[in-house]
Amino acid sequence: EDKVVQSPLSLVVHEGDTVTLNCSYEVTNFRSLLWYKQEKKAPTFLFMLTSSGIEKKSGRLSSILDKKELFSILNITATQTGDSAVYLCTTAPIREQGGKLIFGQGTELSVKP
Amino acid sequence: KAGVTQTPRYLIKTRGQQVTLSCSPISGHRSVSWYQQTPGQGLQFLFEYFSETQRNKGNFPGRFSGRQFSNSRSEMNVSTLELGDSALYLCASSSQGSGGTYNEQFFGPGTRLTVL
Repeated sequence: EDKVVQSPLSLVVHEGDTVTLNCSYEVTNFRSLLWYKQEKKAPTFLFMLTSSGIEKKSGRLSSILDKKELFSILNITATQTGDSAVYLCTTAPIREQGGKLIFGQGTELSVKP
Repeated sequence: KAGVTQTPRYLIKTRGQQVTLSCSPISGHRSVSWYQQTPGQGLQFLFEYFSETQRNKGNFPGRFSGRQFSNSRSEMNVSTLELGDSALYLCASSSQGSGGTYNEQFFGPGTRLTVL
């Protein structure tokens, strides 16, 4: 059965800390992996990763995909209270082969002042 | 550019009833996907529509159905509601073309459905 597993499920840190969120996957139809941030509303897009070993970066956030070991990490440096959210990763299939997007359970990050 | 809109935002129904939720994608987006989000199961993919055709479907019973209109607006219908259908239903639109990868999806605010 296809699955996406995120760890840890929850995390509490203090402002200024650096955090690493993990996402491992076992899916039969894989094209890309996407990260989303969800606060008390709809998820917002962070990154899409398709190629292995190429880091995507946006400000204090960065992410990388390892297609050999089937995982991705999301790093947040110098965390701020505004980073508090649930971070979701999802695998997306090759459209022509059908399949569905599979989401992990999410990592709930809480950043304390 | 206006974002994805969903109506209604909140809905209370009783078991056995049916419900129709509506989603208007970002102008120019032709792909609309629907998701169910619950505390226990997280975010689960329901189905995706592109150019009025269902392209992909998740593992939900046939009580869950949808359609897309020529203007890309989409509706989702749930018949014979069960208590377990209480959830936040999100739709997302994408500028996805006729093939290839799933690109960035823009989510609407969701419809909170409560089944009593």
